[in-house]
Amino acid sequence: GAVVSQHPSWVICKSGTSVKIECRSLDFQATTMFWYRQFPKQSLMLMATSNEGSKATYEQGVEKDKFLINHASLTLSTLTVTSAHPEDSSFYICSARGGGWDRGNYEQYFGPGTRLTVT
Amino acid sequence: KNEVEQSPQNLTAQEGEFITINCSYSVGISALHWLQQHPGGGIVSLFMLSSGKKKHGRLIATINIQEKHSSLHITASHPRDSAVYICAVLLGVGTASKLTFGTGTRLQVTL
Repeated sequence: GAVVSQHPSWVICKSGTSVKIECRSLDFQATTMFWYRQFPKQSLMLMATSNEGSKATYEQGVEKDKFLINHASLTLSTLTVTSAHPEDSSFYICSARGGGWDRGNYEQYFGPGTRLTVT
Repeated sequence: KNEVEQSPQNLTAQEGEFITINCSYSVGISALHWLQQHPGGGIVSLFMLSSGKKKHGRLIATINIQEKHSSLHITASHPRDSAVYICAVLLGVGTASKLTFGTGTRLQVTL
């Protein structure tokens, strides 16, 4: 299947600093990318959806000024956690899907995740 | 009530056993995904189903659209199959469609 990469795979930062996480689709053009957050032993929670060249659509309760999402190209989306706090510590997963949606191509590919620890 | 229910929540099996994980959902969907998440976090997409049955190696996934139910079967289970298996359904249409996830089934396969 298609490959989605994330960088970094883990990061430790101090409270108050900002952290950027990159998500890349390596062998396909991702028209839509998703950012999820996962707490230990819980399922994935959708944070936002981004379409290339458009502003991200955030889920209810997700602060758009704190979690900045940029989808500048068909192969790259970034999530920036601004002014990080210990409660932002979590596992962040990106996912991407390509075109062909209107033809029933509902495949969605997941990145390996980024573990963020804020001290 | 969660739109996607999985059972069982936890499952322990001995190597070689046939395993079934069930997923029920309450609304109309465009597609259903079965995902695998190993300790350490990475998620692998196993199957995407709109109807019928798919097979890949020792894994088989089926879906019954009328009954709003899907099953994931693992034949001849192996300790490396130990992981969390997540059912996710695609709700909505077009670019606004989104995955809704079940809570996962934690599988442990022992020797």
